Amino acid sequence: QVQLQQSGARLLKPSETLSLTCGLHSGSFRGYYWNWIRQTPGKGLEWIGEINHSGSTHYNPSLKSRVTISIDTAENQFSLQLSPVTAADTAVFYCARRKTYYYGSGNYYRTYMDVWGKGTTVTVSS
Amino acid sequence: DIVMTQSPDSLAVSLGERATINCRSSQSVLNISNNKNFLTWYQQKPGQPPKVLIYWASTRESGVPDRFSGSGSGTDFTLTISSLQAEDVAVYYCQQYHSTPVTFGGGTKVEIK
Repeated sequence: QVQLQQSGARLLKPSETLSLTCGLHSGSFRGYYWNWIRQTPGKGLEWIGEINHSGSTHYNPSLKSRVTISIDTAENQFSLQLSPVTAADTAVFYCARRKTYYYGSGNYYRTYMDVWGKGTTVTVSS
Repeated sequence: DIVMTQSPDSLAVSLGERATINCRSSQSVLNISNNKNFLTWYQQKPGQPPKVLIYWASTRESGVPDRFSGSGSGTDFTLTISSLQAEDVAVYYCQQYHSTPVTFGGGTKVEIK
């Protein structure tokens, strides 16, 4: 059964860099997109961005200037960097697998998130 | 961005009764090429990540009880819990995957009356 393993809670100061890693257990990176989503009481669920096994990325335009998502298939993990952080970045960060739907000739749609990590609480405070 | 608006924000339903949650998108999420609505419903319990219930607006995920059903097309969608059970207390979210960025509704909290 596919599992996504996230690290423990983080405390950062404003202007620092947030680095999170999501480990993939019992599955393959191929055929999916690997996502980061965050959740706050005020803004709810917010999609941050995604990457596939070959390194192709898509980012939320609202965060694009501060976000980098990378993948290390040899280490079975993908990562998020967000810099610089502010108090507004305080949230629970989730990693998730996003399914693809193939419709022929190598074309596909990116669809919904079917497997989620347990989440990492990130607090940004001076 | 496509804005997803859910209603109500919360509802309280008696055990065994029907719960209905609505979701409206600011643009159609119907893909004309394959005639599928690019919409998902998630359930989230306290301290847990979201769990997918329904995708393509009306297809139940494997293992999800058949008391959960999704309907609608274009811009208006509904999640129905036909007979509310105690374990269904949660927050429910709709999400569109028609356009980037994917966007989520604000959530509907379901409680027992």
